[in-house]
Amino acid sequence: DGGITQSPKYLFRKEGQNVTLSCEQNLNHDAMYWYRQDPGQGLRLIYYSQIVNDFQKGDIAEGYSVSREKKESFPLTVTSAQKNPTAFYLCASSYRGSTIYFGEGSWLTVV
Amino acid sequence: DQQVKQNSPSLSVQEGRISILNCDYTNSMFDYFLWYKKYPAEGPTFLISISSIKDKNEDGRFTVFLNKSAKHLSLHIVPSQPGDSAVYFCAATRTTSGTYKYIFGTGTRLKVLA
Repeated sequence: DGGITQSPKYLFRKEGQNVTLSCEQNLNHDAMYWYRQDPGQGLRLIYYSQIVNDFQKGDIAEGYSVSREKKESFPLTVTSAQKNPTAFYLCASSYRGSTIYFGEGSWLTVV
Repeated sequence: DQQVKQNSPSLSVQEGRISILNCDYTNSMFDYFLWYKKYPAEGPTFLISISSIKDKNEDGRFTVFLNKSAKHLSLHIVPSQPGDSAVYFCAATRTTSGTYKYIFGTGTRLKVLA
């Protein structure tokens, strides 16, 4: 099946710890994205990547880092510098400005 | 600067009636618009899109209207069903920019009453 796979679905982070959320797509899409959704809020763009080995900051990139070593993969690291990381994280992909498709999301909670 | 706005955070509609969800944008360079439906703890699901060269696009019970002069688009759902109860997001992008960046509104929670 073609699609976007995010893992893990639920993740708990201790204070001062870095965690990485995985995102893999087999849609052969060029562009990949990470969004964050807080309860009752909209989708805010963290980082996006249009091609391999290139990525740009979105609106709320502070405290996050990404890499794009393969076309299929766009992992997001939530660093200890992110002071309020508890949120629902969504990975997405698109083909050159056409419809953007989303994964099922990952919940990150600080404990 | 909120380039895409959904000014109604919630909407309640009776089953069988029409649901109209609205979205406004400020950037006149946007040329492709999309609507998504989202259930709690799930990823958004694509519903329907429209290019700026059109003013209407229809897919089953869903119709999107685009008014470029007013920088306004709307999603009509007819007839509304209880399963349509979800949060709806509109999104916009500029396909000619080469950056493939999508801006989302804050969402409207639709509740369809049985």
